[in-house]
Amino acid sequence: QLVLTQSPSASASLGASVKLTCTLSSGHSSYAIAWHQQQPEKGPRYLMKLNSDGSHSKGDGIPDRFSGSSSGAERYLTISSLQSEDEADYYCQTWGTGEGVFGGGTKLTVL
Amino acid sequence: EVQLVESGGGLVKPGGSLRLSCAASGFTFSSYSMNWVRQAPGKGLEWVSSISSSSSYIYYADSVKGRFTISRDNAKNSLYLQMNSLRAEDTAVYYCAGTYYFDYWGQGTLVTVSS
Repeated sequence: QLVLTQSPSASASLGASVKLTCTLSSGHSSYAIAWHQQQPEKGPRYLMKLNSDGSHSKGDGIPDRFSGSSSGAERYLTISSLQSEDEADYYCQTWGTGEGVFGGGTKLTVL
Repeated sequence: EVQLVESGGGLVKPGGSLRLSCAASGFTFSSYSMNWVRQAPGKGLEWVSSISSSSSYIYYADSVKGRFTISRDNAKNSLYLQMNSLRAEDTAVYYCAGTYYFDYWGQGTLVTVSS
């Protein structure tokens, strides 16, 4: 069964960098995923699609501070030069056979 | 500018029905698959249903299969979700999301199932 695993929380200081992780379940390490951001009291926003080779395509208007990378079954979202507005929930998402799958989300706190 | 605007949410009793709509603009609606995603209060995102560009392929989460029906009208650039036999656990904000990897999101519409 296809499962995406994310740490429930992460924190980093203003101006620093943070790397969030999404882990694909066994047998699914070749899958592409997408990263989405949800700021407090807002709808989600698409950040990027991330392939297994680390190549990624970002959504319109997504700052260069957001980047993606991959290693095996792990998919990463790195946010550099953290700003207060980056405090949000971050979800990874992919497709199984006839079903969409979301990770549980990571709540990022900017200190 | 891409816009997805959901409507049709509200308060409904258990066992009741609601029909959600999503009006799309700013992109070629008929070329892309569309999706419904929901978020229960204080919880994460949950995929609900998807429909291909020509309605040839339709998928549902097990939690809504047999109760919800997704459809679209490409002439009207609109997506729909007919929700029947509603349960308390269907209470959530329902989002319309466009394309295979959910490039586009609406602002959501709240569905509350309560007696």
